Amino acid sequence: KQEVTQIPAALSVPEGENLVLNCSFTDSAIYNLQWFRQDPGKGLTSLLLIQSSQREQTSGRLNASLDKSSGRSTLYIAASQPGDSATYLCAAQLTNFGNEKLTFGTGTRLTIIP
Amino acid sequence: EPEVTQTPSHQVTQMGQEVILRCVPISNHLYFYWYRQILGQKVEFLVSFYNNEISEKSEIFDDQFSVERPDGSNFTLKIRSTKLEDSAMYFCASNTPPSGRNEQFFGPGTRLTVL
Repeated sequence: KQEVTQIPAALSVPEGENLVLNCSFTDSAIYNLQWFRQDPGKGLTSLLLIQSSQREQTSGRLNASLDKSSGRSTLYIAASQPGDSATYLCAAQLTNFGNEKLTFGTGTRLTIIP
Repeated sequence: EPEVTQTPSHQVTQMGQEVILRCVPISNHLYFYWYRQILGQKVEFLVSFYNNEISEKSEIFDDQFSVERPDGSNFTLKIRSTKLEDSAMYFCASNTPPSGRNEQFFGPGTRLTVL
């Protein structure tokens, strides 16, 4: 059974700093890894998706990497801004079958201090 | 840009009542899912649905839950007799047949409060 862990549970950093969020998964035979953002009481906004054949994906100030052999993914946020404050979730998908579920981590609550 | 929609955004009900949560997936998608998130906890898979059948369900998805696609656009989750512990945010998601990325697209969620 796939288990996904995110450490730390909460992180506070001053505005402008670069930061890294971590995601670990137990089954390295994943097909893809998706990062989401969740604002308090709101839905899930997809940020980046990395397929198992890729090592990283970039979108603006965000860069996600995937290391299947070590069971880890990281989300790098450059030049953090107060608007980046939110909970960040990672979710793993085991196969490319159309109906394959996502297994989510518990999230990291990020606070950017102005 | 196409998006998944969900109604209502917030539902308050009394324990023991039936509720139906509604979702309109992206129009050309064929695979549909329900997930839930109890306050302060992780997002959990409930059920996946394809070709008018349940593909997979979790241990949470017991006989009190059912899903259906009553027409060509809606996808519903019914809870027959709600319990206090059913209070959670419920998310609907959809995706297309395997296209390489196999990305799931999520709706904004329905917050269910059981009193």
